[in-house]
Amino acid sequence: DTGVSQDPRHKITKRGQNVTFRCDPISEHNRLYWYRQTLGQGPEFLTYFQNEAQLEKSRLLSDRFSAERPKGSFSTLEIQRTEQGDSAMYLCASSLSRTDTQYFGPGTRLTVL
Amino acid sequence: AQSVAQPEDQVNVAEGNPLTVKCTYSVSGNPYLFWYVQYPNRGLQFLLKYITGDNLVKGSYGFEAEFNKSQTSFHLKKPSALVSDSALYFCAVRDEEAGGFKTIFGAGTRLFVKA
Repeated sequence: DTGVSQDPRHKITKRGQNVTFRCDPISEHNRLYWYRQTLGQGPEFLTYFQNEAQLEKSRLLSDRFSAERPKGSFSTLEIQRTEQGDSAMYLCASSLSRTDTQYFGPGTRLTVL
Repeated sequence: AQSVAQPEDQVNVAEGNPLTVKCTYSVSGNPYLFWYVQYPNRGLQFLLKYITGDNLVKGSYGFEAEFNKSQTSFHLKKPSALVSDSALYFCAVRDEEAGGFKTIFGAGTRLFVKA
């Protein structure tokens, strides 16, 4: 399978714990995006990487959120001191160029108890 | 600021009938427009896109969409609906003037196709 992959698919954690999600984009794609989707809503843009550079962060991304793409390949999204409001589906997407289609992974569903 | 509106939360159609899922948008520059479909417990699947060129865009699974600049619309259509088309559909826009990378999604329209 050469699509976007995300790990884990599900994560249940207690409030206050830290969690980290991983995204592996399509191999030749140099652009990578993170989105958050809550029930009944469309995905909301969180952040964008071009190669290893993080070029844009949404105001939705509080100081507790950090994303990295250290070698321009896979990316990680970390949430520190999780809150119940962080419960959502976290989606990763990748694309080849600015005008190209963004292809989405299956998502990581986070539940904060 | 860019925005997308999907005015219908739900669309019901009988199998074999034509379907339309509506989408309107607002951007500062030239829009890049997309339709995605989401099945339960699955990620978003790309259906079709408009970047430039012909206003009528054909995509996967027999879907098509028409870009109408004067009405700032990009409605999704299919001539004959299938029960298997039942899913959640998202319209999305990227603003070329804003850099073209930040995709704004509509809230989604749930399509029910009855047999």
